[in-house]
Amino acid sequence: DTGVSQNPRHKITKRGQNVTFRCDPISEHNRLYWYRQTLGQGPEFLTYFQNEAQLEKSRLLSDRFSAERPKGSFSTLEIQRTEQGDSAMYLCASLLGFSEAFFGQGTRLTVV
Amino acid sequence: QQQVKQSPQSLIVQKGGISIINCAYENTAFDYFPWYQQFPGKGPALLIAIRPDVSEKKEGRFTISFNKSAKQFSLHIMDSQPGDSATYFCAARSKAAGNKLTFGGGTRVLVKP
Repeated sequence: DTGVSQNPRHKITKRGQNVTFRCDPISEHNRLYWYRQTLGQGPEFLTYFQNEAQLEKSRLLSDRFSAERPKGSFSTLEIQRTEQGDSAMYLCASLLGFSEAFFGQGTRLTVV
Repeated sequence: QQQVKQSPQSLIVQKGGISIINCAYENTAFDYFPWYQQFPGKGPALLIAIRPDVSEKKEGRFTISFNKSAKQFSLHIMDSQPGDSATYFCAARSKAAGNKLTFGGGTRVLVKP
């Protein structure tokens, strides 16, 4: 257990529905990152926060995706109008400054 | 654009053997190169990492070799054990780019008893 907690661990949803994932980072970590990992591939960067500020969003993050980190603590990633191509593992990582990144266990999304 | 290329995609090694995984990068701004181990259904876990001012780093059975001029780095797993069977990812990041990680495609390692 790295101390980064993600919920839910698994989510099955119908195409067109909205889903929201939560990440609780290690408490003193000021940076929080979201990645997406499809089967057999390496994780790909989606977005990151420094405290409550969202500093960068990848081109992978379409306008159906939104992420927040209110008060610089936990973060949520919402996907609106899910598509089958959104099926993937969504990973959250946190770090303090320029230290090591610690990953959560991920949320496995299946869109049917 | 795949900025970190990893090979091989898969590897089978006998117990006690050496596993070698190679990575090459393009972005010379990268300043930190970690390796992650991932088991099915789990998140990646940091194994070992190196900075470009060092040519080799060893931690237990795991060694990173780094060649800055060739923009290549590799992971050696000595005395491979069945419990090492997992997928390994090399990665790279730079402070200038917000420390976001760019991952290689992964290598699935199977250690046969």
